[in-house]
Amino acid sequence: GAVVSQHPSRVICKSGTSVKIECRSLDFQATTMFWYRQFPKQSLMLMATSNEGSKATYEQGVEKDKFLINHASLTLSTLTVTSAHPEDSSFYICSAVPGLAGGTGTDTQYFGPGTRLTVL
Amino acid sequence: TQLLEQSPQFLSIQEGENLTVYCNSSSVFSSLQWYRQEPGEGPVLLVTVVTGGEVKKLKRLTFQFGDARKDSSLHITAAQPGDTGLYLCAGGYSSASKIIFGSGTRLSIRP
Repeated sequence: GAVVSQHPSRVICKSGTSVKIECRSLDFQATTMFWYRQFPKQSLMLMATSNEGSKATYEQGVEKDKFLINHASLTLSTLTVTSAHPEDSSFYICSAVPGLAGGTGTDTQYFGPGTRLTVL
Repeated sequence: TQLLEQSPQFLSIQEGENLTVYCNSSSVFSSLQWYRQEPGEGPVLLVTVVTGGEVKKLKRLTFQFGDARKDSSLHITAAQPGDTGLYLCAGGYSSASKIIFGSGTRLSIRP
């Protein structure tokens, strides 16, 4: 149980285009999902907290107009990279916290397999 | 600046040796989690520790949360090639479910 999927697993796009990445919790509902970015040889950096039915909360330094997050249902959050540029090339990973409440730091996050974005 | 610093950054040892990875911060966390990540995949949770001084064992892995809940360590006994991967600590807060990842330790076990 507690499986999170991401689609697509890999995407290559041209500079200036927009790319949408989906994150789905397959066998549980999640009010809260998270989006991370990971550059080669580095750790995961939290980009934003995705809240079902409300606006996402972005971490400092993350442009909310460039990384659009929509959490329209309890099983799906999407991240759209708008006007992508080569520096946006990265491994994007989502996670989901089971449950319908806000949760705490001891809650288990279940991670998706990641999406490799390459912007040419 | 990384809120959670891990050391060492890289470690390559022979199969059968023991090793310890450290995770340090100046901040207090309500919980500390350890993950292992394979290339091209998402991280997989190994353990969560929540009480200062807590020690948890998972087969050959021993995890400890510092008394002040600012640091943690992961000790692996008799390392095996299957232990190879990126080890990440992550600190959690009581007020929200978000966690902050450490800088990571890349471990390579030579047969």
